[in-house]
Amino acid sequence: GAGVSQTPSNKVTEKGKYVELRCDPISGHTALYWYRQSLGQGPEFLIYFQGTGAADDSGLPNDRFFAVRPEGSVSTLKIQRTERGDSAVYLCASSSETGGVQETQYFGPGTRLLVL
Amino acid sequence: AQTVTQSQPEMSVQEAETVTLSCTYDTSESDYYLFWYKQPPSRQMILVIRQEAYKQQNATENRFSVNFQKAAKSFSLKISDSQLGDAAMYFCAYRRYNTDKLIFGTGTRLQVFP
Repeated sequence: GAGVSQTPSNKVTEKGKYVELRCDPISGHTALYWYRQSLGQGPEFLIYFQGTGAADDSGLPNDRFFAVRPEGSVSTLKIQRTERGDSAVYLCASSSETGGVQETQYFGPGTRLLVL
Repeated sequence: AQTVTQSQPEMSVQEAETVTLSCTYDTSESDYYLFWYKQPPSRQMILVIRQEAYKQQNATENRFSVNFQKAAKSFSLKISDSQLGDAAMYFCAYRRYNTDKLIFGTGTRLQVFP
């Protein structure tokens, strides 16, 4: 596709429910990142994939959060037993290389999650 | 741990004028990259400009330029000839050399008045 896409655009759920957020990276991009942006804050890193494997998951806040990228393209961020504090915009980004001088992360429009 | 600070929650500028957004960061690393991202109401983060720490020359991209002061750990963004479309949240970000995650500041909301 032309850019990074994320679905759904908005998600409202109840406390304790399970949610899945999807990210479609730019075609051919091997690196994929998830960030969380709380109201009035900058994005905070959650996890980074190189290909199918999670190269760095140090930003995941706890074991309720999990992400997969089984075929090295689409990624799904999964949140179990959602809490009101999980309410935020979840941003996905992709890049064509990692750590390189010219590496640029291209962001999607995000999924706004609201936990009631 | 690295941190990025944007001390101006909001700034405003008149169309066609120049505005400077401030950013400071804290790191013990000598090799790193710095970025300015723009986030309009659509939420999509757009890269405005980037700077490699090893380069002494300040980066420029059309109407956007930076003032990079490595010793002072300062990285300000100057927008010249401001346009209504420049109105957005602007985030300063840091990335350590050879790593991948971006560390963002809290952002500055820029308003542009006609």
